[in-house]
Amino acid sequence: SQQGEEDPQALSIQEGENATMNCSYKTSINNLQWYRQNSGRGLVHLILIRSNEREKHSGRLRVTLDTSKKSSSLLITASRAADTASYFCATGDTGRRALTFGSGTRLQVQP
Amino acid sequence: KAGVTQTPRYLIKTRGQQVTLSCSPISGHRSVSWYQQTPGQGLQFLFEYFSETQRNKGNFPGRFSGRQFSNSRSEMNVSTLELGDSALYLCASSPGTGGEFYGYTFGSGTRLTVV
Repeated sequence: SQQGEEDPQALSIQEGENATMNCSYKTSINNLQWYRQNSGRGLVHLILIRSNEREKHSGRLRVTLDTSKKSSSLLITASRAADTASYFCATGDTGRRALTFGSGTRLQVQP
Repeated sequence: KAGVTQTPRYLIKTRGQQVTLSCSPISGHRSVSWYQQTPGQGLQFLFEYFSETQRNKGNFPGRFSGRQFSNSRSEMNVSTLELGDSALYLCASSPGTGGEFYGYTFGSGTRLTVV
């Protein structure tokens, strides 16, 4: 079963624009993580935000977490063609430890 | 620093056969987790090994098994292959048990096609 659900499923923007994708989850979490996957390849860890944090930045990435709404958002600013990929949020159920991934958002950045 | 290495990259097998996939984690990482990725089901957790012990298991039939060696390298085996086993199999390593706390470093995956 999938813990996180990303929204939108697909997003197409122009280079230089910002991209926002959202993730909703169901259970209590210790932290939430975002990963990127280029077509047919392995996933790359982008950022981890702990449950007691509300916002976190890493380069052009900004992640927010609202535990009361059980939701998170990933913002990519000034997007580049190289940002074209699928983006997944991942959470771990308390006690289970293994990460459960959402269905992903496919981002297409047009040059 | 070498990343997570998965072999082979591509594999074609016939229904009913068995297959073994290999994963070498990042040096010093003791946890290896396996995921199956398909277009229909997305990323699904198979199992996690830490210090040669299976610590966690997903909801897959007994045809899916794995093991971890003393050097932390891991193998997963699928017996009696079915067409639905066609997928990208991803290995992920982390320093401690549970990607929840440390995050995962993934390999490039093994693309298995069952015909």
